[in-house]
Amino acid sequence: QSVLTQPPSVSAAPGQRVTISCSGSSSNIGNNFVSWYQQFPGTAPKLLIYGNNKRPSGIPDRFSGSKSGTSATLGITGLQSGDEADYYCATWDGIVSSGVFGGGTKVTVL
Amino acid sequence: QVQLQESGPGVLKPSETLSLTCSVSGGSITTDYWTWIRQPPGKGLEWIGYIYNFGSTDYNPSLKSRVRISVDASNNEFSLRLTSVTAADTAVYYCARVKVGPAYSGTYNNYFDSWGQGTLVTVSS
Repeated sequence: QSVLTQPPSVSAAPGQRVTISCSGSSSNIGNNFVSWYQQFPGTAPKLLIYGNNKRPSGIPDRFSGSKSGTSATLGITGLQSGDEADYYCATWDGIVSSGVFGGGTKVTVL
Repeated sequence: QVQLQESGPGVLKPSETLSLTCSVSGGSITTDYWTWIRQPPGKGLEWIGYIYNFGSTDYNPSLKSRVRISVDASNNEFSLRLTSVTAADTAVYYCARVKVGPAYSGTYNNYFDSWGQGTLVTVSS
């Protein structure tokens, strides 16, 4: 059981937009910054978004992040077949000084 | 560009101690923050702990009694030690660098910007 709650899966047609939610509490998302990771099967996760809404160099602006209260959202526009992967949100829990992850969301391009 | 590489035994028996090493190149082992994260087969990511300020550590409360992370500056590597393993500890173990972004006091802006490729550790009798 993950500390942060994500939908197990989302899907959309190529070119469409998907959003992935990440729900937490005041001790984690509510008071700390959120990051997002993309993971293809058999490979290590890759940083996609940090500081709630910042993209590392090389990450296309089709990927965006936002945070409101105790929830965060990852958006992917112009969906491509190459975006099929698992996506994880992460933050810190200030009460236990521990990193926490969401359970992951599988994105399927129809 | 930071590069990380995990190494260690791939198979353990229950009750044994898991020991993994992460070799770092391109980053400062003494000033950067370093973490271990694991992923059981077919499941999500679990944060294990991290080491920062060249010796301070924080651990996942669920693993705290069994885990220790340390740094070896002379070899530019950091290590994970997990005692009394069971089948539930079977996972791919990743090492990663933790970046700390700007944040107000008491707020965390930590994220994992560079990852090793991961190493599978199987616990089986």
